[in-house]
Amino acid sequence: DQQVKQNSPSLSVQEGRISILNCDYTNSMFDYFLWYKKYPAEGPTFLISISSIKDKNEDGRFTVFLNKSAKHLSLHIVPSQPGDSAVYFCAASDPGGTSYGKLTFGQGTILTVHP
Amino acid sequence: GAGVSQSPRYKVAKRGQDVALRCDPISGHVSLFWYQQALGQGPEFLTYFQNEAQLDKSGLPSDRFFAERPEGSVSTLKIQRTQQEDSAVYLCASSLGNTIYFGEGSWLTVV
Repeated sequence: DQQVKQNSPSLSVQEGRISILNCDYTNSMFDYFLWYKKYPAEGPTFLISISSIKDKNEDGRFTVFLNKSAKHLSLHIVPSQPGDSAVYFCAASDPGGTSYGKLTFGQGTILTVHP
Repeated sequence: GAGVSQSPRYKVAKRGQDVALRCDPISGHVSLFWYQQALGQGPEFLTYFQNEAQLDKSGLPSDRFFAERPEGSVSTLKIQRTQQEDSAVYLCASSLGNTIYFGEGSWLTVV
Protein backbone atom coordinates (compact mmCIF):
# COMPACT_ATOMS: atom_id res chain seq x y z
CA ASP A 1 0.00 0.00 0.00
CA GLN A 2 1.88 3.03 -1.36
CA GLN A 3 0.68 6.00 0.68
CA VAL A 4 2.87 8.49 -1.19
CA LYS A 5 3.15 8.12 -4.95
CA GLN A 6 5.30 9.80 -7.54
CA ASN A 7 3.83 8.49 -10.75
CA SER A 8 6.49 9.86 -13.09
CA PRO A 9 9.72 7.86 -12.79
CA SER A 10 11.57 10.43 -14.87
CA LEU A 11 11.32 13.95 -16.29
CA SER A 12 13.46 15.66 -18.89
CA VAL A 13 13.53 19.46 -19.15
CA GLN A 14 15.49 22.07 -21.10
CA GLU A 15 17.71 24.44 -19.13
CA GLY A 16 15.88 27.66 -18.29
CA ARG A 17 12.42 26.08 -18.47
CA ILE A 18 10.16 25.10 -15.59
CA SER A 19 10.37 21.64 -14.01
CA ILE A 20 7.19 20.37 -12.37
CA LEU A 21 7.41 17.28 -10.18
CA ASN A 22 4.20 15.77 -8.88
CA CYS A 23 3.27 13.75 -5.83
CA ASP A 24 0.00 12.22 -4.62
CA TYR A 25 -0.83 10.86 -1.20
CA THR A 26 -3.66 8.84 0.27
CA ASN A 27 -3.36 9.31 4.04
CA SER A 28 -5.40 12.33 5.13
CA MET A 29 -3.54 12.35 8.47
CA PHE A 30 -0.37 13.59 6.77
CA ASP A 31 0.11 17.21 7.82
CA TYR A 32 3.64 18.12 6.78
CA PHE A 33 5.27 17.54 3.42
CA LEU A 34 8.87 17.74 2.28
CA TRP A 35 10.87 17.48 -0.89
CA TYR A 36 14.35 15.98 -0.92
CA LYS A 37 16.94 15.92 -3.68
CA LYS A 38 19.39 13.06 -4.00
CA TYR A 39 22.58 12.78 -6.02
CA PRO A 40 24.12 9.33 -6.68
CA ALA A 41 26.02 7.88 -3.71
CA GLU A 42 24.83 10.67 -1.42
CA GLY A 43 22.08 10.93 1.16
CA PRO A 44 18.88 12.88 0.50
CA THR A 45 19.24 16.63 0.92
CA PHE A 46 16.33 18.68 2.24
CA LEU A 47 14.94 21.17 -0.31
CA ILE A 48 11.69 22.67 0.83
CA SER A 49 8.70 21.83 2.99
CA ILE A 50 5.09 22.85 3.49
CA SER A 51 2.67 22.54 6.34
CA SER A 52 -0.90 21.44 5.64
CA ILE A 53 -2.20 24.83 6.81
CA LYS A 54 -0.59 26.45 3.76
CA ASP A 55 -1.10 25.94 0.05
CA LYS A 56 2.18 27.41 -1.20
CA ASN A 57 5.72 27.85 0.02
CA GLU A 58 8.48 29.49 -1.96
CA ASP A 59 12.25 29.46 -1.55
CA GLY A 60 14.25 30.99 -4.37
CA ARG A 61 13.79 28.95 -7.53
CA PHE A 62 11.76 26.30 -5.67
CA THR A 63 8.04 26.49 -4.95
CA VAL A 64 5.90 23.78 -3.44
CA PHE A 65 2.13 23.78 -3.94
CA LEU A 66 -0.27 21.76 -1.81
CA ASN A 67 -3.84 20.88 -2.80
CA LYS A 68 -5.29 19.17 0.26
CA SER A 69 -8.66 18.38 -1.26
CA ALA A 70 -6.95 16.54 -4.11
CA LYS A 71 -4.23 15.13 -1.83
CA HIS A 72 -1.68 16.38 -4.31
CA LEU A 73 1.49 18.39 -4.09
CA SER A 74 3.93 19.60 -6.67
CA LEU A 75 7.41 21.06 -6.76
CA HIS A 76 8.15 23.77 -9.32
CA ILE A 77 11.72 24.63 -10.21
CA VAL A 78 12.16 27.74 -12.30
CA PRO A 79 14.41 28.33 -14.08
CA SER A 80 15.78 24.79 -14.22
CA GLN A 81 19.56 24.39 -14.25
CA PRO A 82 21.74 21.41 -15.23
CA GLY A 83 22.87 21.15 -11.58
CA ASP A 84 19.27 20.38 -10.65
CA SER A 85 19.60 16.99 -12.33
CA ALA A 86 19.04 14.47 -9.52
CA VAL A 87 16.42 12.18 -8.03
CA TYR A 88 13.64 14.08 -6.24
CA PHE A 89 11.70 12.46 -3.42
CA CYS A 90 8.42 13.64 -2.03
CA ALA A 91 7.87 12.76 1.66
CA ALA A 92 5.00 13.15 4.08
CA SER A 93 4.88 13.22 7.85
CA ASP A 94 2.22 12.06 10.27
CA PRO A 95 3.56 12.81 13.74
CA GLY A 96 1.02 10.55 15.40
CA GLY A 97 2.65 11.15 18.73
CA THR A 98 6.16 10.28 17.59
CA SER A 99 8.02 12.76 15.47
CA TYR A 100 7.96 14.81 12.31
CA GLY A 101 10.90 12.70 11.23
CA LYS A 102 8.83 9.58 10.66
CA LEU A 103 8.49 10.15 6.95
CA THR A 104 6.75 8.20 4.22
CA PHE A 105 8.56 8.64 0.92
CA GLY A 106 7.49 8.34 -2.68
CA GLN A 107 9.51 6.26 -5.13
CA GLY A 108 11.34 9.26 -6.55
CA THR A 109 11.45 11.06 -9.91
CA ILE A 110 14.69 11.33 -11.87
CA LEU A 111 15.00 14.88 -13.20
CA THR A 112 17.36 15.54 -16.08
CA VAL A 113 17.96 19.15 -17.12
CA HIS A 114 19.57 19.46 -20.55
CA PRO A 115 21.84 22.41 -21.38
CA GLY B 1 31.15 17.32 12.50
CA ALA B 2 28.92 19.49 10.36
CA GLY B 3 26.64 16.73 9.08
CA VAL B 4 25.37 13.27 9.88
CA SER B 5 28.23 10.81 9.59
CA GLN B 6 27.79 7.12 8.84
CA SER B 7 30.23 4.22 8.76
CA PRO B 8 31.11 2.05 7.05
CA ARG B 9 30.11 3.63 3.75
CA TYR B 10 30.24 0.25 2.02
CA LYS B 11 29.94 -3.22 3.52
CA VAL B 12 29.88 -6.60 1.82
CA ALA B 13 28.66 -9.36 4.13
CA LYS B 14 28.33 -13.06 3.58
CA ARG B 15 24.87 -14.45 4.14
CA GLY B 16 24.48 -15.34 7.80
CA GLN B 17 27.06 -12.82 9.00
CA ASP B 18 26.21 -10.15 11.58
CA VAL B 19 26.80 -6.49 10.67
CA ALA B 20 26.86 -3.26 12.66
CA LEU B 21 26.30 0.15 11.09
CA ARG B 22 27.22 3.30 12.95
CA CYS B 23 25.64 6.75 12.88
CA ASP B 24 27.04 9.95 14.34
CA PRO B 25 24.25 12.56 14.29
CA ILE B 26 24.63 16.32 14.11
CA SER B 27 25.79 17.57 17.49
CA GLY B 28 22.88 18.53 19.74
CA HIS B 29 20.22 16.81 17.64
CA VAL B 30 17.80 15.06 19.95
CA SER B 31 15.99 12.97 17.35
CA LEU B 32 17.65 10.20 15.34
CA PHE B 33 16.11 8.01 12.66
CA TRP B 34 17.13 4.97 10.64
CA TYR B 35 15.76 4.34 7.17
CA GLN B 36 16.28 1.53 4.67
CA GLN B 37 16.39 2.28 0.95
CA ALA B 38 16.18 -0.57 -1.54
CA LEU B 39 17.37 -0.06 -5.10
CA GLY B 40 14.96 2.09 -7.10
CA GLN B 41 12.74 2.84 -4.11
CA GLY B 42 12.29 5.66 -1.66
CA PRO B 43 13.65 5.36 1.88
CA GLU B 44 11.50 3.42 4.34
CA PHE B 45 11.32 4.23 8.05
CA LEU B 46 12.88 1.69 10.40
CA THR B 47 13.14 3.23 13.86
CA TYR B 48 13.27 6.49 15.84
CA PHE B 49 15.13 7.63 18.97
CA GLN B 50 14.58 10.66 21.11
CA ASN B 51 17.83 10.98 23.04
CA GLU B 52 18.54 7.43 24.25
CA ALA B 53 14.91 6.31 24.20
CA GLN B 54 13.73 4.23 21.26
CA LEU B 55 10.21 5.59 20.83
CA ASP B 56 9.23 3.84 17.62
CA LYS B 57 10.60 0.65 16.11
CA SER B 58 7.56 -0.19 14.03
CA GLY B 59 9.53 -0.25 10.77
CA LEU B 60 12.13 -2.85 11.74
CA PRO B 61 11.45 -5.74 9.32
CA SER B 62 12.28 -8.58 11.69
CA ASP B 63 13.79 -9.42 15.07
CA ARG B 64 17.15 -9.76 13.31
CA PHE B 65 17.26 -5.97 13.25
CA PHE B 66 18.24 -4.15 16.42
CA ALA B 67 19.13 -0.50 17.04
CA GLU B 68 20.52 1.28 20.04
CA ARG B 69 21.61 4.75 21.13
CA PRO B 70 22.84 4.18 24.68
CA GLU B 71 24.13 7.69 25.46
CA GLY B 72 21.72 9.66 23.31
CA SER B 73 24.29 10.50 20.66
CA VAL B 74 25.90 7.82 18.45
CA SER B 75 23.59 5.07 17.27
CA THR B 76 24.25 1.57 15.97
CA LEU B 77 21.99 -0.50 13.75
CA LYS B 78 22.76 -4.19 14.03
CA ILE B 79 21.56 -6.83 11.62
CA GLN B 80 22.00 -10.41 12.70
CA ARG B 81 22.27 -13.41 10.36
CA THR B 82 22.10 -11.21 7.27
CA GLN B 83 20.06 -12.37 4.29
CA GLN B 84 20.17 -11.28 0.66
CA GLU B 85 16.99 -9.22 1.01
CA ASP B 86 18.80 -7.07 3.59
CA SER B 87 20.92 -5.61 0.76
CA ALA B 88 20.09 -1.91 0.72
CA VAL B 89 21.34 1.52 1.68
CA TYR B 90 20.82 2.22 5.37
CA LEU B 91 20.30 5.93 5.98
CA CYS B 92 20.60 7.65 9.30
CA ALA B 93 19.03 11.05 9.89
CA SER B 94 18.86 13.49 12.76
CA SER B 95 16.78 16.53 13.60
CA LEU B 96 16.24 19.20 16.20
CA GLY B 97 13.02 20.66 14.79
CA ASN B 98 10.99 19.85 11.72
CA THR B 99 13.87 19.51 9.26
CA ILE B 100 15.45 16.09 9.00
CA TYR B 101 19.06 15.85 7.85
CA PHE B 102 20.29 12.63 6.29
CA GLY B 103 23.72 11.08 6.23
CA GLU B 104 25.27 9.65 3.07
CA GLY B 105 24.19 6.12 3.97
CA SER B 106 25.82 2.76 4.51
CA TRP B 107 25.59 0.54 1.42
CA LEU B 108 25.14 -3.08 2.49
CA THR B 109 25.48 -5.93 0.01
CA VAL B 110 24.80 -9.45 1.24
CA VAL B 111 26.32 -12.17 -0.94
